[in-house]
Amino acid sequence: NAGVMQNPRHLVRRRGQEARLRCSPMKGHSHVYWYRQLPEEGLKFMVYLQKENIIDESGMPKERFSAEFPKEGPSILRIQQVVRGDSAAYFCASSRAGKQETQYFGPGTRLLVL
Amino acid sequence: GESVGLHLPTLSVQEGDNSIINCAYSNSASDYFIWYKQESGKGPQFIIDIRSNMDKRQGQRVTVLLNKTVKHLSLQIAATQPGDSAVYFCAENDGPSNTGKLIFGQGTTLQVKP
Repeated sequence: NAGVMQNPRHLVRRRGQEARLRCSPMKGHSHVYWYRQLPEEGLKFMVYLQKENIIDESGMPKERFSAEFPKEGPSILRIQQVVRGDSAAYFCASSRAGKQETQYFGPGTRLLVL
Repeated sequence: GESVGLHLPTLSVQEGDNSIINCAYSNSASDYFIWYKQESGKGPQFIIDIRSNMDKRQGQRVTVLLNKTVKHLSLQIAATQPGDSAVYFCAENDGPSNTGKLIFGQGTTLQVKP
């Protein structure tokens, strides 16, 4: 009865490198959401995906950030040419179809950009 | 604009006492609210939710109250235990259309004194 899984749990990158964050939803869940959390702050919505579809990316920065949820495999949040300001905790959540608001979160990936 | 905020950043209670954590929201269109608990280094954990057609909902040791007139939400924890120490976030949906986007408040830190 695994919950939402994310890896890696911690990721260190130098400025200019790429970061790839992975998320596997809970069993039976087909919707995935990515949120970013800065220290001492609440979570900020980034993107909502279903299999092979981006439903809402209104919270994604216009440049360097992309997300996908392929037919097979985990959802990927990709950050190209990382900058220090990208340092944050990135959380993935999942939900069942038709119950998009009831989201269960993974443990997060803590990204540190040096 | 829309915002979800908490009245007190830190709440300190004695073990065994009841805790009340408050939250204000400004989006009248929101019709679904969730409380999450986040322990240090972990992802948000679902506690309890409530729809706008209700004003009270009870779980195990927790009760959520919703006052739509003043756009106020509260989480009551009965007989607070040391394991309840965490940051608590309220979140609301982005309107009734089941968009999947949750808007989080800043969080309240609950400290339980033994």
